[in-house]
Amino acid sequence: ETGVTQSPTHLIKTRGQQVTLRCSSQSGHNTVSWYQQALGQGPQFIFQYYREEENGRGNFPPRFSGLQFPNYSSELNVNALELDDSALYLCASSLAGGGRYNYGYTFGSGTRLTVV
Amino acid sequence: AQTVTQSQPEMSVQEAETVTLSCTYDTSESNYYLFWYKQPPSRQMILVIRQEAYKQQNATENRFSVNFQKAAKSFSLKISDSQLGDTAMYFCAFRGRETSGSRLTFGEGTQLTVNP
Repeated sequence: ETGVTQSPTHLIKTRGQQVTLRCSSQSGHNTVSWYQQALGQGPQFIFQYYREEENGRGNFPPRFSGLQFPNYSSELNVNALELDDSALYLCASSLAGGGRYNYGYTFGSGTRLTVV
Repeated sequence: AQTVTQSQPEMSVQEAETVTLSCTYDTSESNYYLFWYKQPPSRQMILVIRQEAYKQQNATENRFSVNFQKAAKSFSLKISDSQLGDTAMYFCAFRGRETSGSRLTFGEGTQLTVNP
């Protein structure tokens, strides 16, 4: 059983640029959630995708957007990067269905984004 | 909205001794899950233990156990026979079953150092 894979592992971008982060979910999982973890803080929920649609969103502006593909992999896109977007971005996959969520989350090792 | 508070930013313990990490939370939901995650330098979130709110019995996983006090909204983690490999950041997390879907709400974390 494969785990969650995120790419790239590190990234440096300039303020105002756009970035795309990628996540391959664990085999058998159909739901992907994204979290932002600033240095020294706990992860903050960005949004979740289920069956290729956004299914829950945290307190993040619209310049944070995402996609989920038929194979359940996912992308996080951030437009007009700001210095405060510098953080570790974590992806977590899980299994949902029939109105229930399996609480077996599997996290990736994250993408460290630095905005300069 | 749910909140999770970890009041101990850092803790240290000698190898083979016992340490307890504190967590309190606030929610209006009656049915939920609580988790402790470990985040080593590899950055991947690893599930340590989970507790279902409707279960009165405290969860136990080998050297890890919790003290779940639902009325007090307290969820502490006890690590027995501490090992050097337990050194990591520990996060307490909440997931409601009624309103928050599968999103996790994390605390700010406690950095645990196990000394030889």
